Amino acid sequence: AQTVTQSQPEMSVQEAETVTLSCTYDTSENNYYLFWYKQPPSRQMILVIRQEAYKQQNATENRFSVNFQKAAKSFSLKISDSQLGDTAMYFCAFMSITGANSKLTFGKGITLSVRP
Amino acid sequence: DGGITQSPKYLFRKEGQNVTLSCEQNLNHDAMYWYRQDPGQGLRLIYYSQIVNDFQKGDIAEGYSVSREKKESFPLTVTSAQKNPTAFYLCASRPRGSFYGYTFGSGTRLTVV
Repeated sequence: AQTVTQSQPEMSVQEAETVTLSCTYDTSENNYYLFWYKQPPSRQMILVIRQEAYKQQNATENRFSVNFQKAAKSFSLKISDSQLGDTAMYFCAFMSITGANSKLTFGKGITLSVRP
Repeated sequence: DGGITQSPKYLFRKEGQNVTLSCEQNLNHDAMYWYRQDPGQGLRLIYYSQIVNDFQKGDIAEGYSVSREKKESFPLTVTSAQKNPTAFYLCASRPRGSFYGYTFGSGTRLTVV
C-alpha cells in the first residue's frame, strides 16, 4: 500500500516571499502520478499541480512549481511570490496507474498562512 | 455547468440515528469516491465505486454504507454503528481511465448532537 507523509503541520510565510512545502511518499510502483491540492477556508478542494512520475521535468503552474525527486520519493511544492489568497491547507496525494481502481491517497496536510 | 453537488452543507444527527449524505454529479464520470476529513488526519477513503451497481470498501468503511444505482448518484449512509461520525465528508469523481485527479464536491459537515 502506498503512504504519503507530510511532516510539517503548519507553516507561515510573509507575503511576496517564497515557501516550500514538503512531501514524501512510499511505493513499490514505477509509474504513478502525484498531486498537490489546495483547500482554502471554503473547504473546496482545488487541484494545484500534477506530476507524472515518468517525466523527469518538474511541473510548473504559474507561481507554483514542484521539485520531484523520484529516487528519494520526494515531491515538494514551491510557491513563489506568496499571496494572501494562498492561505489554505495543502494536501499532497498519490495515484497509482496500475489497474482500474486508481485511488488518491492523501497526506495529512499542511496549513499554510500568508502574513501581510 | 457540470459539477458535483453535495447536500446538505451542514447536517446534525442524534446519537443512534442513521443519516444519508447526498452526492450527485452531472459530469458523466464513471468513478465516484467518499472521503472523510478530520483535523490532523488528512482525507481518508471510506468507499468508492467504479461502475453502477458496484462499489468497494476503502480504508475506513466500518459504520458506513453506500449504493450506486445510478451513474450520477453515490449516496453515503452513516449508520449508528459509526462510533465517531462527526467529521467533514467529501465526495469526488473522475472519468474512467483518467489520471488527472478528481473533481470534488463542496462537502458536508456532519455533527452528532
